[in-house]
Amino acid sequence: LAKTTQPISMDSYEGQEVNITCSHNNIATNDYITWYQQFPSQGPRFIIQGYKTKVTNEVASLFIPADRKSSTLSLPRVSLSDTAVYYCLVGDNNDMRFGAGTRLTVKP
Amino acid sequence: DADVTQTPRNRITKTGKRIMLECSQTKGHDRMYWYRQDPGLGLRLIYYSFDVKDINKGEISDGYSVSRQAQAKFSLSLESAIPNQTALYFCATRAENQPQHFGDGTRLSIL
Repeated sequence: LAKTTQPISMDSYEGQEVNITCSHNNIATNDYITWYQQFPSQGPRFIIQGYKTKVTNEVASLFIPADRKSSTLSLPRVSLSDTAVYYCLVGDNNDMRFGAGTRLTVKP
Repeated sequence: DADVTQTPRNRITKTGKRIMLECSQTKGHDRMYWYRQDPGLGLRLIYYSFDVKDINKGEISDGYSVSRQAQAKFSLSLESAIPNQTALYFCATRAENQPQHFGDGTRLSIL
C-alpha cells in the first residue's frame, strides 16, 4: 500500500484559499487519491477523489501532477466551519489506509 | 451519514465483558468496514466484508470478531474487552469502486 505524507497541521484565516499537499511516492497504477474531512466525534466525510490532472466539485479541487507522486487539495475561501482534520488516502478503493491527517484550523 | 447507523453511540463497560457493536446501512452497498480511532490518530482497519458471510482481516483484527449475516448489517464483537480497546469505532460502507461512507461512530470505554 502506498504510504502518504501530509503536514500535521495548518492554520489559515477566513476567506483565504487553503492548499494541503500530500506526497505518495509509491502510488500504484490502479490507485486513486481520495480526501476525507473529519470533525470531532464524527465519521470521516468524503470530499473528493481523483486519478490524474484536476478534479473539481462544489466544495474543493484536487490537483494531481503527471507523475502522480503528490496531490494537492484546494479549499477556496475557507470559513470557520472548515476547521477539521483532512486525510489523504491512496489505494484502489478496496483497501485504503488512513494516516494521521492534517489538522486545519481556520481563524477569524 | 444517516444512511449508516451505529449502535450504541456510547458504551461504558468493564474489563472481561463481551461487547457487540452494531452497524446497519440503507445504502444497499455490498462492502462494509470496521475501524477504530485512537485520540489524535487516523483510523485503523479492523475487519472488512465484501458480501454476506465474507470476512477479511484488517490491520488490527486481534481481539475482535465480526459477523455479516445480512447485506445491511455488520457487527463487531469484543469477546473479552480490555482497557486498551477503549477507542472510537467507526463503521463504513461503500459500493464497488466508490468512496466509503461512514457512520457517526461508537465511543467505547472499558474500565
